[in-house]
Amino acid sequence: AQKVTQAQTEISVVEKEDVTLDCVYETRDTTYYLFWYKQPPSGELVFLIRRNSFDEQNEISGRYSWNFQKSTSSFNFTITASQVVDSAVYFCAVYGGSQGNLIFGKGTKLSVKP
Amino acid sequence: SQTIHQWPATLVQPVGSPLSLECTVEGTSNPNLYWYRQAAGRGLQLLFYSVGIGQISSEVPQNLSASRPQDRQFILSSKKLLLSDSGFYLCAWSTGNFDTQYFGPGTRLTVL
Repeated sequence: AQKVTQAQTEISVVEKEDVTLDCVYETRDTTYYLFWYKQPPSGELVFLIRRNSFDEQNEISGRYSWNFQKSTSSFNFTITASQVVDSAVYFCAVYGGSQGNLIFGKGTKLSVKP
Repeated sequence: SQTIHQWPATLVQPVGSPLSLECTVEGTSNPNLYWYRQAAGRGLQLLFYSVGIGQISSEVPQNLSASRPQDRQFILSSKKLLLSDSGFYLCAWSTGNFDTQYFGPGTRLTVL
């Protein structure tokens, strides 16, 4: 069965600090897809990135970057020069099973203080 | 572009009362549709998903049910609410299995 572990329950940083959110996944599938979502206080889950298991290239989008390492089954998310607006709960997820059910980690609550 | 709507945004219901939450998607055809619940503590649990009209798969046995009467409409129901049904209910859509799921604004349900 698929599983996602986000060991960091809560992280607090000061604005402009860099912060990395860890994600470790488990899957028996050779083809799988990994995701990150952001949940601001309003509650809506906002899609950030999707990565398939064949593409191990790191990705950068503005202040966001993702490090996918198959060897350690990790898909970590780094925010550079964090801002107060980055405060949210961040979820890592993996698509598992034949029906494509999205399996979420428990989330990491990030608080960025001014 | 695609848009997903959920209503109501918030709901307070007494134990034993019925429930109907609605989700609609615009700008796409034959989407996969999903209902998730997020209880206090933040974890998301898949409740139901649908790959077409009238096709509903249940992931967790409970007193909730789902229906898909139209291509882009997904309804979550209960005949009698329990206290444990309180939570944040999120609807999502995707173009197919393993594709990105896009979430609606959610409904916050409190059962008293």
